[in-house]
Amino acid sequence: AQSVTQPDIHITVSEGASLELRCNYSYGATPYLFWYVQSPGQGLQLLLKYFSGDTLVQGIKGFEAEFKRSQSSFNLRKPSVHWSDAAEYFCAVGGYNQGGKLIFGQGTELSVKP
Amino acid sequence: ETGVTQSPTHLIKTRGQQVTLRCSSQSGHNTVSWYQQALGQGPQFIFQYYREEENGRGNFPPRFSGLQFPNYSSELNVNALELDDSALYLCASSSSGGRDTQYFGPGTRLTVL
Repeated sequence: AQSVTQPDIHITVSEGASLELRCNYSYGATPYLFWYVQSPGQGLQLLLKYFSGDTLVQGIKGFEAEFKRSQSSFNLRKPSVHWSDAAEYFCAVGGYNQGGKLIFGQGTELSVKP
Repeated sequence: ETGVTQSPTHLIKTRGQQVTLRCSSQSGHNTVSWYQQALGQGPQFIFQYYREEENGRGNFPPRFSGLQFPNYSSELNVNALELDDSALYLCASSSSGGRDTQYFGPGTRLTVL
């Protein structure tokens, strides 16, 4: 079955500290992978995406993610977190033959301590 | 270039009523996907419209239906509303039948009483 698992429901980090949000997926074909961020009551903003090629992808706001096929993972990282990064983060997987269907994880809520 | 817009922002209905939500796709996009996001959950795929035809459907009952217009805007209709239909409804626009990045609108918050 196709699925996305974000093992951490809630993470708290101090401002300026590094961040890693975990994402594991189960998908039968070559996956397209995405990270989106959602502020309270808002829509989803795309942070970054992986379709093919270089497995380390750079996104907006200083985020990056690494696709590891052997581990079925696509973890999101940021070297230094800012208070404005506090939000909900969603990992999603899709594929070329999936009719545009994205499968989302349950999300990780990030809190930032001053 | 305008982004994805949705209307209305908020909506309150009672059980058994019908509701129509609207989405305008981003300029240059011909595909609209709809998602339901219950509180504390990730979005769930409802269906997608590509060039005015349904192009894929998730695990939602037939009382969830949609339309796409020649200008690629879209409507989501829900009949016989149930309490569990209370959620944030998100639309996303993309190109190539969804085989590309999906860009999301701000959502419509539906409350069913």
